[in-house]
Amino acid sequence: QVQLQESGPGLVKPSETLSLTCTVSGYSISNGYYWGWVRQPPGKGLEWIGSIYYSGSTYYNPSLKSRVSISVDTSRNQFSLTLTSLTAADTAVYYCSRGGSTPMVVVYWGQGTLVTVSS
Amino acid sequence: QSALTQPPSASGSPGQSVTISCTGTSSDVGSSNYVSWYQQHPGKAPKLMIYEVRKRPSGVPDRFSGSKSGNTASLTVSGLQAEDEADYYCSSYAGSNNLMFGGGTKLTVL
Repeated sequence: QVQLQESGPGLVKPSETLSLTCTVSGYSISNGYYWGWVRQPPGKGLEWIGSIYYSGSTYYNPSLKSRVSISVDTSRNQFSLTLTSLTAADTAVYYCSRGGSTPMVVVYWGQGTLVTVSS
Repeated sequence: QSALTQPPSASGSPGQSVTISCTGTSSDVGSSNYVSWYQQHPGKAPKLMIYEVRKRPSGVPDRFSGSKSGNTASLTVSGLQAEDEADYYCSSYAGSNNLMFGGGTKLTVL
């Protein structure tokens, strides 16, 4: 059974850059599938951030594309999210995820990590 | 881009059936077979319940079913049980390798 675990800072200042890492266990990223990030502001709905294929091809939410980057490190079986120019609106629970043979479905979810943007 | 439209709330008594709608446009739900549904209990990560409009992942009870007509997808929960009380989100491919979620529906089991 694949498991995903997010790690990163819980508090980031406005205008700074957020970096989160997702460590995958129970499955090798190199074997395929899409890997990505979804976020959920407190008390609100889900927002897809983007996905990456194990080979490195990336897909991003158009509304975040200018600030987002997702990368993969197959040697560590990890993938990462970078989000720049943070504002309070980026405060959310960030979930890392595994898709299927398409990035358009989220099959497995991490437990999520709360990131607060505040000075 | 706007989120897919879901009713904020739905409810039913134990044993009854309830249907949750997810309305989009001809550019997303209407033209996509990649419509999914997720269940989220408070404080927990979402769980995939339906994918590709009507397929159930292994382990999801057959009380959960999905369908689509035109620009509207639907999730039906039959034989409601107390543990079905949760938030439900739909998602759809929205073109240009973009995934869109609905605003969510809070399902209450009376």
